[in-house]
Amino acid sequence: EAGVVQSPRYKIIEKKQPVAFWCNPISGHNTLYWYLQNLGQGPELLIRYENEEAVDDSQLPKDRFSAERLKGVDSTLKIQPAELGDSAVYLCASSLDRDRVTDTQYFGPGTRLTVL
Amino acid sequence: GDSVTQMEGPVTLSEEAFLTINCTYTATGYPSLFWYVQYPGEGLQLLLKATKADDKGSNKGFEATYRKETTSFHLEKGSVQVSDSAVYFCALSDPPGNQFYFGTGTSLTVIP
Repeated sequence: EAGVVQSPRYKIIEKKQPVAFWCNPISGHNTLYWYLQNLGQGPELLIRYENEEAVDDSQLPKDRFSAERLKGVDSTLKIQPAELGDSAVYLCASSLDRDRVTDTQYFGPGTRLTVL
Repeated sequence: GDSVTQMEGPVTLSEEAFLTINCTYTATGYPSLFWYVQYPGEGLQLLLKATKADDKGSNKGFEATYRKETTSFHLEKGSVQVSDSAVYFCALSDPPGNQFYFGTGTSLTVIP
């Protein structure tokens, strides 16, 4: 079974430019997460989707970040415009059913963003 | 609010040494607890988990026991190998299936 797929793996852009990350979750997983991981830190949730609905986006900086999950499958995270402080790894994860006690999140390899 | 506190690294051990990575948590409810591992250049992978008090999660020789009385979930392995070199993250979800909270990670290097 294929895991969570993310692209690109690496992205280098200049500040003030836009950037987009793409995620394809494990087939059948209805919950999708985007995390931000700074160097030497643990992942921090940006947004969580249940199917196509964003159910928790309280940590998403909405002035420059946006996300969508059309048709409840693939998702795209966008930053416009990017700032130097956005340099980090952006992780996507998916899970089968958020209501299950034994739920587990499966992570993609991440996209490493460098803003110059 | 919920949080996870992990033992700071980096940790360097010789092969076959005993490993302990401490993890304590603060939660408003009754969380599920997890250890994730991140090998160099790879994404986070679930190592083990426990969903209720006194449960022991285990995988690949690693173990951790959910201790509600001490709010801890320490990771242990009796004999580490070079291939165990990675960053280990303790995490909780509270309530289970909801938002995850991760610790800052502990880097482990095992030398031959």
